[in-house]
Amino acid sequence: DVVMTQSPLSLPVTLGQSASISCRSSQSLVYSNGDTALNWFQQRPGQSPRRLIHGVSNRDSGVPDRFSGSGSGTDFTLKISRVEAEDVGVYYCMQHTHWPHTFGQGTKLEIK
Amino acid sequence: EVQLVESGGGLVQPGESLRLSCAASGFFFNTYWMNWVRQAPGRGLEWVANINPDGNAERYVDSVRGRFTISRDNTENSLLLQMNSLRAEDTAVYYCAAFGVEGNVWGKGTTVIVSS
Repeated sequence: DVVMTQSPLSLPVTLGQSASISCRSSQSLVYSNGDTALNWFQQRPGQSPRRLIHGVSNRDSGVPDRFSGSGSGTDFTLKISRVEAEDVGVYYCMQHTHWPHTFGQGTKLEIK
Repeated sequence: EVQLVESGGGLVQPGESLRLSCAASGFFFNTYWMNWVRQAPGRGLEWVANINPDGNAERYVDSVRGRFTISRDNTENSLLLQMNSLRAEDTAVYYCAAFGVEGNVWGKGTTVIVSS
């Protein structure tokens, strides 16, 4: 199975500052057609997850442009600019290039 | 309204079975890959299984293959997960989730507890 490793696992951030989460995969996530199936999800306390980013860098509808995804191959990053109180929660990367699909361990973002 | 509503969770003993259901509304169900994702108490997300839009291709995580069966009924806009030979480690909140390029939809989850 492809192992997804996130860092840091805990991320205290000051309101208004930026935050960055790294996700590394144990194998390349590039399809034979050149696409890369890497998503980012947010799970706020007590809520179901929701997808923020698909295909490495494509924001889902309704997701603020403060959220951006980047990366390639095995190294990926979620950046949150100008962190707001509503961004508190756990963030997961997930790959669906390989079977079985696998999630990272999660990164808990909190406000300092 | 776009939504997924899971049902069927409960408390069962090891070795018993449960059937989870997920009712979809407000979106083109028959165009989405449908997934079950679970979350054990205090733990992260684990992808369990999915099924293609036509319902003729299924995939499972190794820990449930041979015990769980995913299926869908596109005429009823519903997704099922038949869970047999349940184990304590299957205890989790089970989410139904639709993933597509156009968007994603998650249910609120249904809780499965496997305990003697």
